[in-house]
Amino acid sequence: QKEVEQDPGPLSVPEGAIVSLNCTYSNSAFQYFMWYRQYSRKGPELLMYTYSSGNKEDGRFTAQVDKSSKYISLFIRDSQPSDSATYLCAMRLTTGGGNKLTFGTGTQLKVEL
Amino acid sequence: GAVVSQHPSWVICKSGTSVKIECRSLDFQATTMFWYRQFPKQSLMLMATSNEGSKATYEQGVEKDKFLINHASLTLSTLTVTSAHPEDSSFYICSASAAGDTQYFGPGTRLTVL
Repeated sequence: QKEVEQDPGPLSVPEGAIVSLNCTYSNSAFQYFMWYRQYSRKGPELLMYTYSSGNKEDGRFTAQVDKSSKYISLFIRDSQPSDSATYLCAMRLTTGGGNKLTFGTGTQLKVEL
Repeated sequence: GAVVSQHPSWVICKSGTSVKIECRSLDFQATTMFWYRQFPKQSLMLMATSNEGSKATYEQGVEKDKFLINHASLTLSTLTVTSAHPEDSSFYICSASAAGDTQYFGPGTRLTVL
């Protein structure tokens, strides 16, 4: 079993839809949770960075962390064609392991006109 | 803020030659830099972690003599692929992290070995 599970998609939605992206994980010691967006042939771009359980909102993006269920989500409201990319969840421990991240496999999202 | 650059963005080389890739943190001091490789439609695979002024820590299965990493300053790390072969063709991405902070990624370098 992988430490972090993420549906690879592809996920195709119409423009304006609400998108829900999810990851589950097995290591309860993870405390920091991130979502990265990666366009084709580019490096990942940090979208959201949260600590422990709770919600965080930034514009059209909302990140949720439920540590009791070991489940994190990223919601994208009013999705746009420019949101078409691969979304990677990542997480790390509080101490130990440096700042090493454990990634999900990424979900490919396509927002269609 | 938190901008990381990589150079070159793409490189083509002949088999047997060595290639150096630079990673720079432009607006912060990176105590730790990471090197990843990524194959098409796959997630990032961590190759090594380097701290400024000390030897890199390589992940299991990564040949340290083949992938030489130097973290000479708080803003620069280099990855040298020695005696490159076609199977080393990949997308190489670095990231940089300040103490206790998350990782910020560079734009990646596409290496093609003929």
